[in-house]
Amino acid sequence: ETGVTQSPTHLIKTRGQQVTLRCSSQSGHNTVSWYQQALGQGPQFIFQYYREEENGRGNFPPRFSGLQFPNYSSELNVNALELDDSALYLCASSSPAESYNEQFFGPGTRLTVL
Amino acid sequence: SQQGEEDPQALSIQEGENATMNCSYKTSINNLQWYRQNSGRGLVHLILIRSNEREKHSGRLRVTLDTSKKSSSLLITASRAADTASYFCATESNFGNEKLTFGTGTRLTIIP
Repeated sequence: ETGVTQSPTHLIKTRGQQVTLRCSSQSGHNTVSWYQQALGQGPQFIFQYYREEENGRGNFPPRFSGLQFPNYSSELNVNALELDDSALYLCASSSPAESYNEQFFGPGTRLTVL
Repeated sequence: SQQGEEDPQALSIQEGENATMNCSYKTSINNLQWYRQNSGRGLVHLILIRSNEREKHSGRLRVTLDTSKKSSSLLITASRAADTASYFCATESNFGNEKLTFGTGTRLTIIP
């Protein structure tokens, strides 16, 4: 197992609600990336945070937002939830100082939107 | 959007046989990585191959990369029941921020 943790493990919300997912990065890693994985698909990049600043964003609307804290943990916030937001949300931590962008993934948060 | 396609989408083999999965991608890359995922859980990093490498080995895994064809293959030798999982290739482009672009995955089932 990696040292990346995510909470909660599972979450059920209804359309229109807001959700916050959390990720603690592996010790020594200052970069956190978030991915959305719909059922039967590969993960899709949402955004990345490096030293508390957004450092790149995928093709996701502004209602997907994030934060990174001084200890490098991170939050993913999704507003105005839609049914299609149901997915496994994965975070990954890495450090530019280490070998070639090996990203260490957490176990994920399974979000169900009803 | 997905960067690449994996082939086949699903593969079932007998324990002890070799499994080969292929990945194609579209843009220039810095490196290509293979990940394993068990039952919709987190991804486990298997192996990374850089754009200037052609072949890499790690235990029972062998990865090849052909940048002229924009393709890679993952070979798992002497498969075991525990290898049953989904396998994804992911590419890091040579622009910017280290984001990984994943393929659609191959679902591998090892029959005991």
